[in-house]
Amino acid sequence: EVQLVESGGGLVQPGASLKLSCVASGFTFSDYWMSWVRQTPGKTMEWIGDIKYDGSYTNYAPSLKNRFTISRDNAKSTLYLQMSNVRSEDTATYYCTRPSLGFDYWGQGVMVTVSS
Amino acid sequence: DIQMTQSPASLSASLGETVTIECRASEDIYSNLAWYQQKPGNSPQLLIYDANSLADGVPSRFSGSGSGTQYSLKINSLQSEDVASYFCQQYNNYPTFGSGTKLEIK
Repeated sequence: EVQLVESGGGLVQPGASLKLSCVASGFTFSDYWMSWVRQTPGKTMEWIGDIKYDGSYTNYAPSLKNRFTISRDNAKSTLYLQMSNVRSEDTATYYCTRPSLGFDYWGQGVMVTVSS
Repeated sequence: DIQMTQSPASLSASLGETVTIECRASEDIYSNLAWYQQKPGNSPQLLIYDANSLADGVPSRFSGSGSGTQYSLKINSLQSEDVASYFCQQYNNYPTFGSGTKLEIK
């Protein structure tokens, strides 16, 4: 059974940094591109970016490219999202997803709240 | 980026009815479209990919159609467990989502 389990969310102050993790199981993690998607409290869905199966290439939504970094550790079957200089508009639930003609698996999501 | 315009924003229908949700892309997305169901408090689940292919385990009362810039999701014989929000998403370019449709039972 495919499982994606995110962690690392919480309350963070504007301008701070935060790193989210996603541990994958039930499939060969190193064979797949992986993505992060977020959903705002108003339910708007936004793709953040993705990373190639070997970690050699990343793509980002243009509006987030300069502040967010996606990485992975295939030995640990773990995907990461490094968020820097966070803003109130980054308040959202962050999902780890597997892209495959759409996104065929999603984690349970982790909430990030940016507030002073 | 490709804009996805989804309608209606909300929908109320009776059990057993057929409902249709529409998505319009700002440019041709060549059927690179997925539909998701998100039940309250849960993560989205893939229903349809490639505009009209049913994902594994999805009931056959769900179907997708369309081409070019116009796509739709149809739910036949509405069941109580279909109460959810539904989103479209294109993957012809970097992924973008529709704004969602909240489906309730009348």
